[in-house]
Amino acid sequence: DQQVKQNSPSLSVQEGRISILNCDYTNSMFDYFLWYKKYPAEGPTFLISISSIKDKNEDGRFTVFLNKSAKHLSLHIVPSQPGDSAVYFCAASNPGGGADGLTFGKGTHLIIQP
Amino acid sequence: DTGVSQNPRHKITKRGQNVTFRCDPISEHNRLYWYRQTLGQGPEFLTYFQNEAQLEKSRLLSDRFSAERPKGSFSTLEIQRTEQGDSAMYLCASSPTGGLTEAFFGQGTRLTVV
Repeated sequence: DQQVKQNSPSLSVQEGRISILNCDYTNSMFDYFLWYKKYPAEGPTFLISISSIKDKNEDGRFTVFLNKSAKHLSLHIVPSQPGDSAVYFCAASNPGGGADGLTFGKGTHLIIQP
Repeated sequence: DTGVSQNPRHKITKRGQNVTFRCDPISEHNRLYWYRQTLGQGPEFLTYFQNEAQLEKSRLLSDRFSAERPKGSFSTLEIQRTEQGDSAMYLCASSPTGGLTEAFFGQGTRLTVV
């Protein structure tokens, strides 16, 4: 069963516009959420995270929003740049419960159009 | 380069052979994780170490898989009697501590079982 779901396999956005990537989770024990970015032939690179006690975290062009009641989070990238084209993975964990391993979604391939 | 290092980058082996991968984490990181990623999927957690102690193992880690981190520094992942279904990217990650911190990934070892 897929505990972390990214329902959009791909997303195309024009350069300069906002990119919104969505993620849903089913395990209510998850209390830490992360976004990773992955280029081909490279390992995932950490982007931004949020703990369950917050509903928003911002870092430069990247903002993550968490809606615990809906078990939903989203990553906003604004403005989108060509270098943002990559696969984005949503991940979750329950470190407070001793489950430090990350559970990943299947990823969303973001394509930034010039 | 002070990132997570994995060797080899690529491995082709015949079905039934044993293979071993090595991961060198970031030097001051005491947590080390192994993940597996197949095509179209996100990374799947296999196991992690706190220093030399293996603290968590996924049910994906069958008895043909064994991981060690003998001195709390580098780690090895061995797969015995490889099967075609073991073909995947094997990713290693490290973090400075458990809890609310991100994990830093290596570039992975691509295993192909023929």
